[in-house]
Amino acid sequence: GQNIDQPTEMTATEGAIVQINCTYQTSGFNGLFWYQQHAGEAPTFLSYNVLDGLEEKGRFSSFLSRSKGYSYLLLKELQMKDSASYLCAVRDQDKLSFGAGTTVTVRA
Amino acid sequence: DAGVIQSPRHEVTEMGQEVTLRCKPISGHDYLFWYRQTMMRGLELLIYFNNNVPIDDSGMPEDRFSAKMPNASFSTLKIQPSEPRDSAVYFCASRGLADTDTQYFGPGTRLTVL
Repeated sequence: GQNIDQPTEMTATEGAIVQINCTYQTSGFNGLFWYQQHAGEAPTFLSYNVLDGLEEKGRFSSFLSRSKGYSYLLLKELQMKDSASYLCAVRDQDKLSFGAGTTVTVRA
Repeated sequence: DAGVIQSPRHEVTEMGQEVTLRCKPISGHDYLFWYRQTMMRGLELLIYFNNNVPIDDSGMPEDRFSAKMPNASFSTLKIQPSEPRDSAVYFCASRGLADTDTQYFGPGTRLTVL
């Protein structure tokens, strides 16, 4: 079975940094994805980690520790448009299992 | 590229009616996935295809749900008969081998069954 946990909600101020944690216990592991989903829209790809360590893409970074079953998504220099749900997803062969998502609200 | 295309974007129907959702994957992608998203259950994989062949349908909730992929550019998800608990947003996603295994989602179909 798949068990993927992430906080339900987080609030931060414009210009600040927010870290969204994701822990997982899955029957198989072939990589971890982070997706962003704005209200009423489709999920869009943010990052992918398959090896331990930090992947940086502009204001967004993602970290993975396979031995700990742990990942985080770091959002820097928050902007109002970053208000969205952030989904952690674990790949097992060809299938993705998604966490429930973390709703991030950015306040002015 | 036009991205993944889904139709209709919104569907309102009455309980017992047949519903057909449609998806056109990104050209050249050989994997196609159908998901359902609800507040209660989040984003769930229903079924996926590789090269038009269904590989895993273990997420299909019951026999009322069926999916087909007659060719590389078209797939359908059918619910017959529909029930109010089927109300959800249904997403189609596709993936190609050259995209670091990233799945690209369509805009979704919001289904309401009255």
